Amino acid sequence: DAGVIQSPRHEVTEMGQEVTLRCKPISGHDYLFWYRQTMMRGLELLIYFNNNVPIDDSGMPEDRFSAKMPNASFSTLKIQPSEPRDSAVYFCASGGHEQYFGPGTRLTVT
Amino acid sequence: GDSVTQMEGPVTLSEEAFLTINCTYTATGYPSLFWYVQYPGEGLQLLLKATKADDKGSNKGFEATYRKETTSFHLEKGSVQVSDSAVYFCALSPLNAGGTSYGKLTFGQGTILTVHP
Repeated sequence: DAGVIQSPRHEVTEMGQEVTLRCKPISGHDYLFWYRQTMMRGLELLIYFNNNVPIDDSGMPEDRFSAKMPNASFSTLKIQPSEPRDSAVYFCASGGHEQYFGPGTRLTVT
Repeated sequence: GDSVTQMEGPVTLSEEAFLTINCTYTATGYPSLFWYVQYPGEGLQLLLKATKADDKGSNKGFEATYRKETTSFHLEKGSVQVSDSAVYFCALSPLNAGGTSYGKLTFGQGTILTVHP
């Protein structure tokens, strides 16, 4: 199994641009999670899905952030418009009782 | 609500020293407990887990015992190596009345470990 796959691994964009982060979970996992990690705030859960349905999006910082899971093998996290304070490493994880993390996308907004 | 508290870091040790990273939790019911490790530039990896009281999780020389009476899950290793330098996260997963997981993990703030040769 290839594990959780995230793309791109690095993204540099200018303030105001739309950013889309992608995730392919491990096949057969019912849950998918999006996290953000920064030095200041540590690891934050943004949103998670169960069987493709969003269960808890209370961690999404504001309306500029949106996430979708159109099918069991794909999810996106979109930021529109992006701001410098969105710079962070974004992780996708899948699993059930245990979570398996992807390698992360390092986002830099200038 | 549920919470996890880890000892403040960073922790700096010499190679072959004994390691303890404290973790205590607050939760209703009988959560499962986990330690995750994050190496530089990588995502978190599951290191070990325990699903009920008095269980001991172990992996790669690391151990942690689920202590319900003290609500703790301290991570230990008898002899650390330079390659153990990483950030360590304690986490819990609450179980519902049926004994199945809600899926969501509550993480501690992480403890940075640096091991010098």
